[in-house]
Amino acid sequence: KQEVTQIPAALSVPEGENLVLNCSFTDSAIYNLQWFRQDPGKGLTSLLLIQSSQREQTSGRLNASLDKSSGRSTLYIAASQPGDSATYLCAAYSGGYQKVTFGTGTKLQVIP
Amino acid sequence: EAGVAQSPRYKIIEKRQSVAFWCNPISGHATLYWYQQILGQGPKLLIQFQNNGVVDDSQLPKDRFSAERLKGVDSTLKIQPAKLEDSAVYLCASSPVQGSRNTIYFGEGSWLTVV
Repeated sequence: KQEVTQIPAALSVPEGENLVLNCSFTDSAIYNLQWFRQDPGKGLTSLLLIQSSQREQTSGRLNASLDKSSGRSTLYIAASQPGDSATYLCAAYSGGYQKVTFGTGTKLQVIP
Repeated sequence: EAGVAQSPRYKIIEKRQSVAFWCNPISGHATLYWYQQILGQGPKLLIQFQNNGVVDDSQLPKDRFSAERLKGVDSTLKIQPAKLEDSAVYLCASSPVQGSRNTIYFGEGSWLTVV
């Protein structure tokens, strides 16, 4: 059974700081790893999707990496802004029927 | 392309009452998911359909929750009777036929408060 963990559960940083969010998964036989953002009272917004054949994906100030052998993914946010404040979720795709298992989330607060 | 549609967006009911949520996936998407997200937690898969067949309902509380997917398109999730701990957002998602390149698309969610 796939289990996905995110550390830390909450993070508070000053504006402008670079930061890293961590995601760990127990079953390395994944074929996608996806990062989402969730604002309070809102649904999920996809940020980056990394396929198993890839090591990383970049979009603007966001960079996500994937290391299947160690069961880890990281989301790097450069030059953080108050608008980045949200909960960040990672999700691992695995299994014959594309089961998508979510982590527990990291709540980020960027202080102006 | 229209996204995943869910209704109602918000619902407040008393415990022991029943409620139903509806989901219309993206056209042509074979896989449909229902997730439950309790405040402060990550989404938990309740049930997954491939076309109109269930492929995973291991975490669905079957004594009170039920779901169906009509003709492999729309889906409804029902809770009867509701408990206070069912207060959560219910997220519907869909995906094309399974494959390594197929991302999952979410609706806006249905917020349930049980009082």
